[in-house]
Order: sequence, then structure tokens, then C-alpha cells
Amino acid sequence: EIVMTQSPATLSMSPGERATLSCRASQNVNSNLAWYQHKPGQAPRLLIYGASTRATGIPARFSGSGSGTEFTLTISSLQSEDFAVYYCQQYNNWPPLTFGGGTKVESK
Amino acid sequence: EVQLVESGGGLVQPGGSLRLSCAGSGFSFSSYAMIWVRQAPGKGLEWVSAISGSAGSTYYADSVKGRFTISRDNSKNTLFLQMNSLNAEDTAVYYCAKDPKRSWPAEYFQHWGLGTPVTVSP
Repeated sequence: EIVMTQSPATLSMSPGERATLSCRASQNVNSNLAWYQHKPGQAPRLLIYGASTRATGIPARFSGSGSGTEFTLTISSLQSEDFAVYYCQQYNNWPPLTFGGGTKVESK
Repeated sequence: EVQLVESGGGLVQPGGSLRLSCAGSGFSFSSYAMIWVRQAPGKGLEWVSAISGSAGSTYYADSVKGRFTISRDNSKNTLFLQMNSLNAEDTAVYYCAKDPKRSWPAEYFQHWGLGTPVTVSP
């Protein structure tokens, strides 16, 4: 099983700041990585797939990078609606599909 | 517009059973792989099960293997999760989701429902 580890667990930020979220895979997943945003009471929202391709309708302030075992999601300038929990998910080798434990981006 | 609507959740005693449903609309249901993902209280997302569009292939997380069964009725555009021998660790919100591509194995998931809560308690 590929274990996905996200850091930090919580990120306290102010609107307008740049947020950098990390995701590490326990083995090589190539570029087969997705990022999701999840808010309480809502459906998870796909942000990024293929490690760096924005999904339909996702603002350009969201960007993804990395390959192999190290990945980053960057939010260039946080908006109020971006405070949420973010998950990475690998699809290189499954079952099982595996998600990271999540990073909560909260308002400072 | 793609819509996924889960139903069937509720309160069940340990050892009991529930059958979840996920009704899909706005897309050619039989062409897409579907998955179930759950989120326990205070925890992250956990993949539960997956099924190909034709239902010819199914996969399960080790935590539910032998207790849960995924199926689909493509004539009714509906996905199911039969959950037996439930225990407290199965308490979660259960989401269905679909891959945006007509491919198998599934990869990433663009469309999700709002989830249905399942509580396992005496």
C-alpha cells in the first residue's frame, strides 16, 4: 500500500498570503496525483490532477507541482473561500486508492 | 449537469446492515467507474470500494472486504453499497464519486455527492 503523508497538519494563514502544502508518497507515484479541497457539509472538489493540471473551473491561484514522491499544492494569494481542508490522492498503483491525512488551512 | 445523490444512511446497531444508494444523472452512467469514499468524524477521506462501468471489476479496502459489496444497476443509473456486520469504526459520512474519464481503472474524481451519514451505535 502506498502511504500518503501531508504536512503540515494545520496552516494558519491570512487572506492574501501564499500557502504551500506538501504531500509525500511512500513510493514513486510518477505524476499520478490529485488534490482536493473539502469544506464541511460540502462535496470534495477536485483541484488538480496529473500533479499539475488544474481541473475545470479551478482558479489560476491554485497550482500543483512535483513528481515521484514529493508534491506541492500552492495557493498564490489566499481568498476567504480557500479556507478548507486539502487532501492529496495517489492513483498510480491501486487498490487501495490512498489519500493523505489532509492539511487544514485556517484563518489566522 | 452531473449530479450524484446518496441516500440510505442512518442509525444502525453493531452487527447490523445498511444499503446505500447513489443516483447519478446528467451523464452516461454505465460508461463511468464509480467509487465510495468515507469520512469518519474528525478524520480524513478513506477510499472504501470501486466498480467499473460494466460492473465487471470491483475492488475493496481491506477494512471492509468480506463485509461490504459494491454493485450498480446501469438501467436505473444507480450505484449501491451493501454494508453488513457493521461496527463502530464504520461510522462515517459516505460519498459516491465518479471519474471524469471513461476509463478503467479509475484515477481521480471530479464529481462527488454530498454524502449520506451512517452511525453505528447500540
